Amino acid sequence: SQKIEQNSEALNIQEGKTATLTCNYTNYSPAYLQWYRQDPGRGPVFLLLIRENEKEKRKERLKVTFDTTLKQSLFHITASQPADSATYLCALGGNTDKLIFGTGTRLQVFP
Amino acid sequence: DSGVTQTPKHLITATGQRVTLRCSPRSGDLSVYWYQQSLDQGLQFLIQYYNGEERAKGNILERFSAQQFPDLHSELNLSSLELGDSALYFCASSVAAGALQETQYFGPGTRLLVL
Repeated sequence: SQKIEQNSEALNIQEGKTATLTCNYTNYSPAYLQWYRQDPGRGPVFLLLIRENEKEKRKERLKVTFDTTLKQSLFHITASQPADSATYLCALGGNTDKLIFGTGTRLQVFP
Repeated sequence: DSGVTQTPKHLITATGQRVTLRCSPRSGDLSVYWYQQSLDQGLQFLIQYYNGEERAKGNILERFSAQQFPDLHSELNLSSLELGDSALYFCASSVAAGALQETQYFGPGTRLLVL
């Protein structure tokens, strides 16, 4: 069955450093991948989308890569700030409207 | 604020009971999605409606049902509730259906606690 793996352990980094989160998947060939941010007790908020034929996407301090050979996406936040602390979810989409979400990685940025 | 509203914010009920969760999508959005989020399972897709019609189905139990009304708001009905149904239930909306790679806008969620 389709499986998405995100590091369940929290990622703790110092302010100003680059945070890198990983999303690995198996038994799936997604047409696109999305990253969402979720704060405690709130709904996910869309951040970035990358398609299968794209290698990299950037938006301000955010960068996403998508390697369909490795079946992996990396999500980078450069010059991280305490306000970036949240849980980050990756979601895969295929040829339907259905999104399959990973369980998320919690990021904690310390001053 | 995503523009998606959900009511109620919190719901406490007993096993065996039935509850209804309500969602109003963003203005202009025709698709509504329902998700369940529990600590051990992550965000699970339940069902999608597009302009009043069921569009896609995920891991939705037979005890659960949903519908989308002509004014595009949606309701998720949960019946014969069990302790394991305790979770956060999110509604999301998007402009259309079949427009792949579309952003979904999530509501604030309804926290359900079954005692």
